[in-house]
Amino acid sequence: AQSVAQPEDQVNVAEGNPLTVKCTYSVSGNPYLFWYVQYPNRGLQFLLKYITGDNLVKGSYGFEAEFNKSQTSFHLKKPSALVSDSALYFCAVRDKGNFNKFYFGSGTKLNVKP
Amino acid sequence: DSGVTQTPKHLITATGQRVTLRCSPRSGDLSVYWYQQSLDQGLQFLIQYYNGEERAKGNILERFSAQQFPDLHSELNLSSLELGDSALYFCASSAPGQGGETQYFGPGTRLLVL
Repeated sequence: AQSVAQPEDQVNVAEGNPLTVKCTYSVSGNPYLFWYVQYPNRGLQFLLKYITGDNLVKGSYGFEAEFNKSQTSFHLKKPSALVSDSALYFCAVRDKGNFNKFYFGSGTKLNVKP
Repeated sequence: DSGVTQTPKHLITATGQRVTLRCSPRSGDLSVYWYQQSLDQGLQFLIQYYNGEERAKGNILERFSAQQFPDLHSELNLSSLELGDSALYFCASSAPGQGGETQYFGPGTRLLVL
């Protein structure tokens, strides 16, 4: 069974519009949840994470994500997209009870058009 | 620049050969992680070391092994290489934590097996 799913290979949005990149997970128990971004020919960069506490997490570059336990989701959002946000976004989940269970989604390519 | 360095940047070798990838973590970070990113498998967690000891193990093949040295640099050894091992190999490092640490990724080593 897939442990983390990013259902959209690609998301297209116009600059200035809100964006959402979806992520759902299926790790049992309480997870650590992460979002990373990868620019062309670069390593991954951390955006934000959920450890515990407030379900709404704010991160770098104006991004935020909401942990929804009932829907097992951790969607990435930004109120107003920039062309420079165009990149590949990865959701990751790690099982708090078993660190071996550490999975990345397949990635979603975000295209922000001027 | 994340502060994590990886060498070499590119590596071309033949099937059946053995290669060693090297990673130096950020100053002060005790954990090192290894990942494989390929077109068909996506981004996969291979293994994590913490202060010289293996801490977590993901989908690492038996042909692959890693270690972390007293100076905290790490090496990933890939042996009996197959065409399917061609991929981008990332190293990441993090400060001590309980599994939800932010990881800082290196620029990667691109391995091509011919």
